[in-house]
Amino acid sequence: AQSVAQPEDQVNVAEGNPLTVKCTYSVSGNPYLFWYVQYPNRGLQFLLKYITGDNLVKGSYGFEAEFNKSQTSFHLKKPSALVSDSALYFCAVRDLGDYKLSFGAGTTVTVRA
Amino acid sequence: DVKVTQSSRYLVKRTGEKVFLECVQDMDHENMFWYRQDPGLGLRLIYFSYDVKMKEKGDIPEGYSVSREKKERFSLILESASTNQTSMYLCASTSIEGSFFQYFGPGTRLTVT
Repeated sequence: AQSVAQPEDQVNVAEGNPLTVKCTYSVSGNPYLFWYVQYPNRGLQFLLKYITGDNLVKGSYGFEAEFNKSQTSFHLKKPSALVSDSALYFCAVRDLGDYKLSFGAGTTVTVRA
Repeated sequence: DVKVTQSSRYLVKRTGEKVFLECVQDMDHENMFWYRQDPGLGLRLIYFSYDVKMKEKGDIPEGYSVSREKKERFSLILESASTNQTSMYLCASTSIEGSFFQYFGPGTRLTVT
């Protein structure tokens, strides 16, 4: 079975500071990992994915994530947060050969001006 | 530009009513999914379909059914709506090839009174 944990319900940072949203996963095989963002009253928007290759993945809106196999983590990062980054962030994992994604509970990010 | 559309953004129904939520994708994707999103629980998979007339139960199928008569359309049916089905419902689709990530619709916020 596959699963994802996002240990923080909320993350608060000041604009211009680094932003990190944590994610750990569990799969039986090689993982496919994803980050999505949801703005109020909107559907989920894809940010980035890790399938294979370089452990540092770059995505939309200046976000990046680092795949760490030994720690089974896939933390989302942004060097300098913007107020407009305030949203709900979801980490998701898919096991090889499975159609389904498993999502974390979500982390609400608030960036204060 | 890829698109997943859902028939309603907001819906209010009474307990016991039969409710239909429609989802249409224009990307010729094989796989389609229905999730419900609740605060603190993330996204939970209700049903998915990997081909026309094919369906599989997800993690929380009780109280729901689905229909996929055409490749582009995937319907979620609440046979007899109950107040505990008040939620945000998200539809997604994905190809069996390529980048593996799911495209999401804007969501339907269903309130059952």
